[in-house]
Amino acid sequence: GDSVTQMEGPVTLSEEACLTINCTYTATGYPSLFWYVQYPGEGLQLLLKATKADDKGSNKGFEATYRKETTSFHLEKGSVQVSDSAVYFCALLNTGGFKTIFGAGTRLFVKA
Amino acid sequence: SQTIHQWPATLVQPVGSPLSLECTVEGTSNPNLYWYRQAAGRGLQLLFYSVGIGQISSEVPQNLSASRPQDRQFILSSKKLLLSDSGFYLCAWSTRDRGGPLHFGNGTRLTVT
Repeated sequence: GDSVTQMEGPVTLSEEACLTINCTYTATGYPSLFWYVQYPGEGLQLLLKATKADDKGSNKGFEATYRKETTSFHLEKGSVQVSDSAVYFCALLNTGGFKTIFGAGTRLFVKA
Repeated sequence: SQTIHQWPATLVQPVGSPLSLECTVEGTSNPNLYWYRQAAGRGLQLLFYSVGIGQISSEVPQNLSASRPQDRQFILSSKKLLLSDSGFYLCAWSTRDRGGPLHFGNGTRLTVT
């Protein structure tokens, strides 16, 4: 079945450091790919998405490129801030339907 | 604009007691509705989803049930809670468009004692 694998955390970075959170997926067909972010005590928010191969999603300085050849959707940011501290979830929604599949989440701590 | 309301925010219930969590969506029609559970330090598990009034699909067999009595209302219930039901419950909606993202409520933290 469909699945998403993302790097285990926690990831601890200093402010202004570069961030990469790896995400790979297994799916039949041509899924849409997403990154969601969860701040402490809150629900998830959509951070960015890509719906087809080679699409790049971007938002708030974060980027991720849909790589079909490597079945990956790595999240990157060139300079993180303390306010980026949160849990990040990679997810896919297959073309069939209704069920979004999530990775286990990666907790990011950014220190001042 | 669309909004999603989920309540209560926190709940402490004894083992064997009933449960009712409610979720409503405003500003959209015919949404797909979802209940997810997030256990501590783990990812999200899809529990139920609904594509219309009275239409419920269950993903995980357990002592929970869901109902959709109105187009924009989704209810998660249990007749008798177990300790293992503790967790963070999230309601979400999406449009009928293929590939549409999920929009989440703020969640209910349930502790079964």
